[in-house]
Amino acid sequence: KNQVEQSPQSLIILEGKNCTLQCNYTVSPFSNLRWYKQDTGRGPVSLTIMTFSENTKSNGRYTATLDADTKQSSLHITASQLSDSASYICVVSAGQAGTALIFGKGTTLSVSS
Amino acid sequence: DTEVTQTPKHLVMGMTNKKSLKCEQHMGHRAMYWYKQKAKKPPELMFVYSYEKLSINESVPSRFSPECPNSSLLNLHLHALQPEDSALYLCASSPRLAGESDTQYFGPGTRLTVL
Repeated sequence: KNQVEQSPQSLIILEGKNCTLQCNYTVSPFSNLRWYKQDTGRGPVSLTIMTFSENTKSNGRYTATLDADTKQSSLHITASQLSDSASYICVVSAGQAGTALIFGKGTTLSVSS
Repeated sequence: DTEVTQTPKHLVMGMTNKKSLKCEQHMGHRAMYWYKQKAKKPPELMFVYSYEKLSINESVPSRFSPECPNSSLLNLHLHALQPEDSALYLCASSPRLAGESDTQYFGPGTRLTVL
């Protein structure tokens, strides 16, 4: 069964600290893996997208890694800001055409001052 | 223009009402999507249009009726909804149908409340 598991479910950190969010997946055939940031009541915003051959991708203070062998991905946030408080969703695209999107349940990050 | 717009932002309707949600993008994307998202849950795919043709219908009840009048517009017609249909409805688009490197761009959503 295609599944995407994210951990932790929620996380509280102090402003300026770093953190790492995890995503494990059992999806076949794998097409790509995306990380989205979603503010409460708003639509998700894409942070990174990685295909099978890519193992790291950065977007400002966000760095995503992908280990296709262990089927794990992580999202590292550097020097967190209050505006980083949001839900972070890992989405794996499956199938030859990548038409099946498997969503993780998200990690809720709270950054406090 | 790298934006997906959705109207209205908020909608309150009764169970006997007929209403429509609208989504628009001008990025030349040929795949458009409707998602339903309940609080603290990930988005659930409802419909996918590819080149203005319905490609995927995830067994959505017929009280939800999608329409894609042209490559930039996507509508979701609502009729005889139930209170449990209250949710955030998200529209998304991508250059192609979830291609290998294609990102889906999401709109801000319409917050729907069914009384």
